[in-house]
Amino acid sequence: GENVEQHPSTLSVQEGDSAVIKCTYSDSASNYFPWYKQELGKGPQLIIDIRSNVGEKKDQRIAVTLNKTAKHFSLHITETQPEDSAVYFCAASTSGTYKYIFGTGTRLKVLA
Amino acid sequence: GAGVSQSPRYKVAKRGQDVALRCDPISGHVSLFWYQQALGQGPEFLTYFQNEAQLDKSGLPSDRFFAERPEGSVSTLKIQRTQQEDSAVYLCASSITGPTEAFFGQGTRLTVV
Repeated sequence: GENVEQHPSTLSVQEGDSAVIKCTYSDSASNYFPWYKQELGKGPQLIIDIRSNVGEKKDQRIAVTLNKTAKHFSLHITETQPEDSAVYFCAASTSGTYKYIFGTGTRLKVLA
Repeated sequence: GAGVSQSPRYKVAKRGQDVALRCDPISGHVSLFWYQQALGQGPEFLTYFQNEAQLDKSGLPSDRFFAERPEGSVSTLKIQRTQQEDSAVYLCASSITGPTEAFFGQGTRLTVV
């Protein structure tokens, strides 16, 4: 079955610096890749997503890139702010199924 | 509603007790999902509904877990004879259709003592 690996597990950056979180997936039929931000005691919040027919997508300070050949996708956050501190999860979904396979999460700390 | 609503937010159950967790999806969302999130882990898929039809229940860990969505809106996840390993946060998500752009509720934290 599908497996999603996520790195790093923890990431500390200085306010204003960039943060990059990387994920790899195993199922070449995966075609939808959302990223979720989860704050303590809250449910995951969808922050950006990308479909397999697109290589890059950007929304203000957040961008996601997808390399289908390498089965690899990444989240990029620029000009980080303390409120970006949270746990971030990548996920993959395969056409014809109804589930997301989540990565193990990255705890991002933005130091003021 | 404005978002996915789950109740209760917290539930403490004695081992062997039955529990029922409720999910109110976003109005008009056809698809509804249940996930289980253990402490420090990513969510794991339990089951999926399209309207009232349960199309995938492959993630339910045992026959003690049962989910329903009888009228295609509110859903209930029931766990019978709870065990300590059932302790987790149970997340509900909904989407307009299919697995894309799913929005999650705040979850129900179940603690079995």
